[in-house]
Amino acid sequence: EAQVTQNPRYLITVTGKKLTVTCSQNMNHEYMSWYRQDPGLGLRQIYYSMNVEVTDKGDVPEGYKVSRKEKRNFPLILESPSPNQTSLYFCASSASGTSYNEQFFGPGTRLTVL
Amino acid sequence: AQSVSQHNHHVILSEAASLELGCNYSYGGTVNLFWYVQYPGQHLQLLLKYFSGDPLVKGIKGFEAEFIKSKFSFNLRKPSVQWSDTAEYFCAVYSGGYQKVTFGTGTKLQVIP
Repeated sequence: EAQVTQNPRYLITVTGKKLTVTCSQNMNHEYMSWYRQDPGLGLRQIYYSMNVEVTDKGDVPEGYKVSRKEKRNFPLILESPSPNQTSLYFCASSASGTSYNEQFFGPGTRLTVL
Repeated sequence: AQSVSQHNHHVILSEAASLELGCNYSYGGTVNLFWYVQYPGQHLQLLLKYFSGDPLVKGIKGFEAEFIKSKFSFNLRKPSVQWSDTAEYFCAVYSGGYQKVTFGTGTKLQVIP
């Protein structure tokens, strides 16, 4: 089954404790992206990747890091989480980033930073 | 920078009522337009999309949207809503110039039986 998976689905952590949210897709997609969803603000893009070893900042990259060492994986790293990063995070992928195709979304990761 | 506006933040309708959700974008070049739906507790799913051709596009579950280039709009419509349409709806715009997609802030639709 074609899908985007994220882990963990729920995470409660404390300020300053480094964490990684994994994202994996099995569709051989080139383009992958991370979003955060906050009430009243919709989805805002954090980082995206056009292909392996090619990443770029989205609209709200501060406090986040990403890497794309393999085509299927696109982990999101919070080196020192803060309470304002409490949010619902979605990973998404699409076939190509140069000509837009629909994005397939993962199930989401609800992060709470205390 | 491109932007997307969804003016209706929360819409409440009775079953069988007609629905129209507004979406306006700011980018003047070639765009691809999308509506995504997020049912309670679920991830986003594509409802419909416009790339080119007929400006009236039909999607799943009886939804349709009309692209009006002169108004920079891509409004979502459904003639008769059902309780199962209760969800949050997001308009999204992709522009080749920016090679990125921008989402609107979403519209929560609540359908009352």
